[in-house]
Amino acid sequence: AQSVAQPEDQVNVAEGNPLTVKCTYSVSGNPYLFWYVQYPNRGLQFLLKYITGDNLVKGSYGFEAEFNKSQTSFHLKKPSALVSDSALYFCAVTFTGGGNKLTFGTGTQLKVEL
Amino acid sequence: DVKVTQSSRYLVKRTGEKVFLECVQDMDHENMFWYRQDPGLGLRLIYFSYDVKMKEKGDIPEGYSVSREKKERFSLILESASTNQTSMYLCASRSTALSGNTIYFGEGSWLTVV
Repeated sequence: AQSVAQPEDQVNVAEGNPLTVKCTYSVSGNPYLFWYVQYPNRGLQFLLKYITGDNLVKGSYGFEAEFNKSQTSFHLKKPSALVSDSALYFCAVTFTGGGNKLTFGTGTQLKVEL
Repeated sequence: DVKVTQSSRYLVKRTGEKVFLECVQDMDHENMFWYRQDPGLGLRLIYFSYDVKMKEKGDIPEGYSVSREKKERFSLILESASTNQTSMYLCASRSTALSGNTIYFGEGSWLTVV
């Protein structure tokens, strides 16, 4: 069985400071990892994904994520947070041959304050 | 850009009513999905379809059915709505079932059953 954990329900950060939203996973086989963002009353927007290759993945809006196989983590990061980054962030995982079985975490609310 | 359109954003229905949620995608994607989103539970897969007239149950199919008569359209049906089906429903699509392909979401449909 595959699973995703987002250990923090909420993350607070000051504007201009770096931010990290944590994600750890468990799969059988090679993982495929995704990050999505959801603004209030909206659907999920794709940010970035790790399939293979470079462990540091760059995505939309200045976000990046680092795949760490030994720690089974895929933390989302941004060097300098903006108030407009405040949203709900979801990590998701599947695996090679997993087909349509994409498992989502429970989400982390990011709040960026002035 | 991929466009997944959910025609009804906000619905209020009575217990026992039959409810149809409609979804259309414009990218000729083979796979379409219906998820349910609840606070603290993340996204849970209700049903997915990998081709016209083809469907498979997800993690929580009870109380729901689906229809895919045309490739671009995927409908979620609540045969007899109940208050525990009050939720945000998200439609999604992706090109094929290859694990690395990105899933794209619609804007969501908020359903309240009273």
